[in-house]
Amino acid sequence: NAGVTQTPKFRVLKTGQSMTLLCAQDMNHEYMYWYRQDPGMGLRLIHYSVGEGTTAKGEVPDGYNVSRLKKQNFLLGLESAAPSQTSVYFCASCWTRMSNQPQHFGDGTRLSIL
Amino acid sequence: DQQVKQNSPSLSVQEGRISILNCDYTNSMFDYFLWYKKYPAEGPTFLISISSIKDKNEDGRFTVFLNKSAKHLSLHIVPSQPGDSAVYFCAASGSGTASKLTFGTGTRLQVTL
Repeated sequence: NAGVTQTPKFRVLKTGQSMTLLCAQDMNHEYMYWYRQDPGMGLRLIHYSVGEGTTAKGEVPDGYNVSRLKKQNFLLGLESAAPSQTSVYFCASCWTRMSNQPQHFGDGTRLSIL
Repeated sequence: DQQVKQNSPSLSVQEGRISILNCDYTNSMFDYFLWYKKYPAEGPTFLISISSIKDKNEDGRFTVFLNKSAKHLSLHIVPSQPGDSAVYFCAASGSGTASKLTFGTGTRLQVTL
């Protein structure tokens, strides 16, 4: 019972490089989310998806793109990495549009941009 | 504009005593509130939640209290155990918002022997 799996767990990039973070969930959840966590700032929403083929911007979307081609996968892309994108990235998913369904989180991807 | 605030970055409590973690919010549209617990190198895990139609929700050693007029909620842990040492995040969600969560900055709880 994997839940939410994030790949990779760690990555170091050089400024200007691109990469894609993968999130996979096996709970058949409709909604998926990408957050970033920075010291002293809690988790902030980057992008989210309410279903296969749909995506929307969150609080801090600049510099990121996302895709949800399959219901179980949510990809986060950095086209040209910047040092300000050094952070820990968390993916989450949940069942329904109701506010009372807790989101389930993956264990994070620690990304460093040099 | 921090809509969810946890003003205490850290808290130290002795084992067996009560831990009280506080959270304030500013957005009146929030109608559901959650507490998540996070250990180092792991993702946040759901702990307990409360709907805005209630003022208290209890689950074992954990109780969440909501004071809507003050826009304040608190998490009580009784009795505190060393395994409770973690970072606790308060989060809020509004109806019709695709269950998006707005998080506080977290409180690091240390339970000492």
